[in-house]
Amino acid sequence: SYVLSQPPSVSVAPGKTARITCGGNNIGTKSVHWYQQKPGQAPVLVIHYDSDRPSGIPERFSGSNSGNTATLTISRVEARDEADYYCQVWGTSSYQVFGGGTKLTVL
Amino acid sequence: QVHLVQSGADMKKPGASVKVSCKTSGYSFASFGVSWVRQAPGQGLEWMGWISVYNGNTDSAQKFQGRITMTADTSTTTASMELRSLRSDDTAIYYCGRVMVGGATDYWGQGTLVTVSS
Repeated sequence: SYVLSQPPSVSVAPGKTARITCGGNNIGTKSVHWYQQKPGQAPVLVIHYDSDRPSGIPERFSGSNSGNTATLTISRVEARDEADYYCQVWGTSSYQVFGGGTKLTVL
Repeated sequence: QVHLVQSGADMKKPGASVKVSCKTSGYSFASFGVSWVRQAPGQGLEWMGWISVYNGNTDSAQKFQGRITMTADTSTTTASMELRSLRSDDTAIYYCGRVMVGGATDYWGQGTLVTVSS
């Protein structure tokens, strides 16, 4: 089965840029989606199809995908961005998976 | 507005089955799929499967195949997921979500806590 690897945690100071990676074999050939999940809440889609932002998601959120790594970038990080972030790829049942999640801490 | 409202929390004994429903509104039900994702306590998201409401086709993660049934009723715009032969490690919050072409889930239900305990 397909495996997506995320760092367990990322820390960033307010106003700085956070980058959360998602590694997978040739992930650059697949569509990657990113979700934000705050404690006790359902996930929220923040990036789809590698780099598209759904309506209502701040422009501070961006995504890229190439080679073996997809990246979620959050610019000018705010306290409200503190959450768990998950990447996802979609294909056949053998690789419709989520990454293990990254806890973003705003210092 | 788009809404997905799930059935309430449930408690089951090992070996039993559970059925979680997901009542949708605010969009063309047959134009999107419905995915099912679960989250064990303190753990990450786990994709379980999805159903194409348009044609009823389903696809599920290998670990659930043979144990999961997903349905969609277009007359009530409600999707359902049944998981059989429950074990204690099936204790989790179960989410339904509206799936776009390409697999992104853009709207989610509020989650249903299923507890499996003897």
